[in-house]
Amino acid sequence: EPEVTQTPSHQVTQMGQEVILRCVPISNHLYFYWYRQILGQKVEFLVSFYNNEISEKSEIFDDQFSVERPDGSNFTLKIRSTKLEDSAMYFCASSEMVAGVGTDTQYFGPGTRLTVL
Amino acid sequence: GESVGLHLPTLSVQEGDNSIINCAYSNSASDYFIWYKQESGKGPQFIIDIRSNMDKRQGQRVTVLLNKTVKHLSLQIAATQPGDSAVYFCAETGANSKLTFGKGITLSVRP
Repeated sequence: EPEVTQTPSHQVTQMGQEVILRCVPISNHLYFYWYRQILGQKVEFLVSFYNNEISEKSEIFDDQFSVERPDGSNFTLKIRSTKLEDSAMYFCASSEMVAGVGTDTQYFGPGTRLTVL
Repeated sequence: GESVGLHLPTLSVQEGDNSIINCAYSNSASDYFIWYKQESGKGPQFIIDIRSNMDKRQGQRVTVLLNKTVKHLSLQIAATQPGDSAVYFCAETGANSKLTFGKGITLSVRP
């Protein structure tokens, strides 16, 4: 069964450093998403991406964040200068656009645990 | 403001019993609702979904009920098994595909 994959599973970084989190969405999916989950809290939307551009972003997704689809399979989230409060699980998700309607089941990857020291 | 929330933080059930997990949402414009299950150290796993033009949908051992009048969503799990132990999230979305998650409820199955 196709699934979303993410690497690395755990990333430890120093405050102020740049990190890139990587995702491989399900191959025939056209919508891509990043969410984060701070320990013990609910999952929060960061950004959605379609047709090589951001569709929507939350207020969490400030200028320190960026997303990219560098090739036909990868989808990345970059944090330019990490802060302590960026420590969280980051989940990538993807969905298949069906009949021109973007609202569709989102399938999540296993997540990357980011720890900022 | 817009929010999706869960009524209870934890639910403990006896193996073999039925479980009912409830969720309230406040955005009347939401038209698509999903239940996810999250096991420790893993990402949210899709369980079942329902669109706003329906009030009930059944899957394998799971049923989702939607009451748009009171903005209430529930997940029923029949014959709960130890493998059902996890955190359950309801989520909603409208035309923009952005999922808004509830806080999560822990389901604990007693042997």
